[in-house]
Amino acid sequence: QKEVEQDPGPLSVPEGAIVSLNCTYSNSAFQYFMWYRQYSRKGPELLMYTYSSGNKEDGRFTAQVDKSSKYISLFIRDSQPSDSATYLCAMSRINDYKLSFGAGTTVTVRA
Amino acid sequence: GAVVSQHPSRVICKSGTSVKIECRSLDFQATTMFWYRQFPKQSLMLMATSNEGSKATYEQGVEKDKFLINHASLTLSTLTVTSAHPEDSSFYICSAQALGETQYFGPGTRLLVL
Repeated sequence: QKEVEQDPGPLSVPEGAIVSLNCTYSNSAFQYFMWYRQYSRKGPELLMYTYSSGNKEDGRFTAQVDKSSKYISLFIRDSQPSDSATYLCAMSRINDYKLSFGAGTTVTVRA
Repeated sequence: GAVVSQHPSRVICKSGTSVKIECRSLDFQATTMFWYRQFPKQSLMLMATSNEGSKATYEQGVEKDKFLINHASLTLSTLTVTSAHPEDSSFYICSAQALGETQYFGPGTRLLVL
């Protein structure tokens, strides 16, 4: 069983829809949670960084962490074609710099 | 946000040659740099971790004599793929981390070995 599970998709939504992305994890030692966006043939770009349960909002993006269920989510409101990319969840333990990545979900927002 | 650059962005080489890839943190000092490899439609695979001034720590299954890593300063790390072969063709991505901060990734280097 992988430490971090993420549905690879692909996910296709119309412009303006809400995109919902999820990851589950098995190791309760994970305390830091990140979402990265990766465009084709580019490096990952950090979108959200959280370390506590609850919601964190940044513009059209909302990250949600539920440590009791070992479940994290990323919501993209008012999705745009420019949001079409692969979204990777990642997490790490306290005092451990290594990131454990999900497989990435490929999202296409149709104009 | 923090900026990490990589050079070159793309390289094509003949089998048996060595290729050097540079990773630089442009606006912060990176105490730790990481090198990843990514195959098409797959997630990132950590190859090694390097701290400035010390030897790199390689992940299981990664040949340290094949993938030489040097972290000469707080803003520069290099990955040299020695005697490259077609199976080394991949997308190599570095990331840099300041003490207590998260990792910021470079744009990646696409290596094609003929």
